[in-house]
Amino acid sequence: GNSVTQMEGPVTLSEEAFLTINCTYTATGYPSLFWYVQYPGEGLQLLLKATKADDKGSNKGFEATYRKETTSFHLEKGSVQVSDSAVYFCALSSQGTSYGKLTFGQGTILTVHP
Amino acid sequence: GAVVSQHPSWVICKSGTSVKIECRSLDFQATTMFWYRQFPKQSLMLMATSNEGSKATYEQGVEKDKFLINHASLTLSTLTVTSAHPEDSSFYICSAATGTSGFNEQFFGPGTRLTVL
Repeated sequence: GNSVTQMEGPVTLSEEAFLTINCTYTATGYPSLFWYVQYPGEGLQLLLKATKADDKGSNKGFEATYRKETTSFHLEKGSVQVSDSAVYFCALSSQGTSYGKLTFGQGTILTVHP
Repeated sequence: GAVVSQHPSWVICKSGTSVKIECRSLDFQATTMFWYRQFPKQSLMLMATSNEGSKATYEQGVEKDKFLINHASLTLSTLTVTSAHPEDSSFYICSAATGTSGFNEQFFGPGTRLTVL
């Protein structure tokens, strides 16, 4: 079956530091890949997505590249801000899943200090 | 836009009682709603998928008689935990999506914390 593995947190960084959160996946076929973010007290929000190999998703300074050869979709940001403190979830949706059923990683807590 | 609410945000109940959780799409019509369960420091696990006006599709291992899902309108789905027990204590999250084909972005509610004593 499908699975997503994220690097364990929590991750604590100083403002303006470089961020990487690793994500690898196991899936049949050609899944679509996503990063979701959950700010304190709010629901999950789609941060970015990539639907085929070598695609790069980007949003709010975050980027992730769909690497089929390494089955990875690592999240990066060059300079984090305090407002980026949140929980980040990597997820996939299998090809052909008519309702876009999502499989999530376990989430990574990011805390950014001033 | 695309706001999903859940009510209540937290609930404490006694073992053996039933609890209903509501999920509403506030500014769009949701043909599909999903219910997830999240344990501490663990991933979201999909429990069931519901389409307006039809029976929910449950994931393997989820007891459909214990977790009753109703999706009576395009803006409301409910999850009822029947005869709740302490092991049902968890964080329940719903999401809503429009359309029924391809990937349609899911919009998530803030979650409901259930504690069964």
